[in-house]
Amino acid sequence: QKEVEQNSGPLSVPEGAIASLNCTYSDRGSQSFFWYRQYSGKSPELIMFIYSNGDKEDGRFTAQLNKASQYVSLLIRDSQPSDSATYLCAVKVGGYQKVTFGTGTKLQVIP
Amino acid sequence: DGGITQSPKYLFRKEGQNVTLSCEQNLNHDAMYWYRQDPGQGLRLIYYSQIVNDFQKGDIAEGYSVSREKKESFPLTVTSAQKNPTAFYLCASSISLGAGILLNTEAFFGQGTRLTVV
Repeated sequence: QKEVEQNSGPLSVPEGAIASLNCTYSDRGSQSFFWYRQYSGKSPELIMFIYSNGDKEDGRFTAQLNKASQYVSLLIRDSQPSDSATYLCAVKVGGYQKVTFGTGTKLQVIP
Repeated sequence: DGGITQSPKYLFRKEGQNVTLSCEQNLNHDAMYWYRQDPGQGLRLIYYSQIVNDFQKGDIAEGYSVSREKKESFPLTVTSAQKNPTAFYLCASSISLGAGILLNTEAFFGQGTRLTVV
């Protein structure tokens, strides 16, 4: 079982819709969760981080964490064509510095 | 400006040749990482270092070597033992903290080095 799993996609949504990206993880000791956005040929940039159960909102982005079910999700409201990118989920186990990434989900926002 | 600098941006290597990728940060971060990314794939951890003069193997360390003689620098050498080195290499750093403190520490990435074997 992979430590961090994501559906590779592509996930296609129309402009203005809500995009829902999901990530599951295997280590119950995981405490920090990150969503990165990566445009083709570029390095990842942080979108959101979350470490408490529940929702965390920042502008059009909402991260959701459910530790009991071991999943974390990212919702993008009012999706724009500029949101088209690969979204990487990353997990860090508390007390350790190893950050493990999922393979990413490619999002396509159709104008 | 604080950040992470990787060089070169593009690198070409001949078969059987060792090459070293540079990674320098001025963020005063203790932890540094090297990842490899293949087309359409996620990031796979090669090596990471939590402190100067210490480093740990990641998931795909075979054929690679690193050193951490200075806090600011974490060079990666791709040796001739790495059979399929063509990839996009990303260096990252983050604050190294004790357990249970400020868990929301993100990793900052350099701009990457694209290595091609010719």
